[in-house]
Amino acid sequence: EVQLVESGGGLVKPGGSLRLSCAASGFTFSSYTMNWVRQAPGKGLEWVSSISRSSNYIYYADSVKGRFTISRDNAKKSLFLQMNSLRAEDTAVYYCARVNGSGSYQMGYWGQGTLVTVSS
Amino acid sequence: QLVLTQSPSASASLGASVKLTCTLSSGHSNYAIAWHQQQPEKGPRYLMKLNSDGSHSKGDGIPVRFSGSSSGAERYLTISSLQSEDEADYYCQTWDTGIQVFGGGTKLTVL
Repeated sequence: EVQLVESGGGLVKPGGSLRLSCAASGFTFSSYTMNWVRQAPGKGLEWVSSISRSSNYIYYADSVKGRFTISRDNAKKSLFLQMNSLRAEDTAVYYCARVNGSGSYQMGYWGQGTLVTVSS
Repeated sequence: QLVLTQSPSASASLGASVKLTCTLSSGHSNYAIAWHQQQPEKGPRYLMKLNSDGSHSKGDGIPVRFSGSSSGAERYLTISSLQSEDEADYYCQTWDTGIQVFGGGTKLTVL
C-alpha cells in the first residue's frame, strides 16, 4: 500500500524558515516524480513544486520561487521542502503527492498533510 | 495561460446523479486532466485521469459510479447513485512542462 506521511509543520514567524519532510513507503520511491501541493485555510489546492525521479528536473510555482527548495533522498525514500523567508500567505496545509504512474503527470497518491502557520 | 475553471458549488439528491464540469482555457482543449475528491477534513484522493477523447482511467478502488467524459474544452465528472459520503470538494488538475494547475474546486452538497 502506498503511504505518504508528511511532517515538520508548525508555527513560525514571518521571515522564518521551516523544513518539511515526506516519508514514502509501499512503492519504489526512486521511480516516481514527487510534488508538494498546499491548501490555505478554506481555499483550494495550489501546486508548489515538483521534482523528477533523479532530481534532474525541478520546478516551482512563481509564488515560492527563490524562497522554497525541493529535494529528495531516494535511499531514504524521503521528500523535502525547505521553506525560507516565510510569509503569512504561506500559511497552509502542505501535501506530499506522488504522480500516478512512473511516466505520469497527474497526482495519483496524496499524504494527509502537515499544517504550516506563519504568524507573529 | 493554462487555466481550469470550475463552478464553486453543485447539489443533488441522495441516489440521483450529478455532472460536474471543468473547463480548459482557450488553446488547451486537447489537454488531459485529472479529477480529485477531498472529503471534509481529509487529504485529497485521486479519482481518475480523463483524456480529451473521453477515455479515462480510474484510481485504485474508485467505484464504478464515478465516470468521466469530455466535449471540446469541457471535462466532466459524473457521479451516479449519489451517497452521503460523496459530499466533498472536487478538483480538476492539468499539467504542462514545468507547471501543474488546479481548478478552484466545486463543493458538492448531497441533499
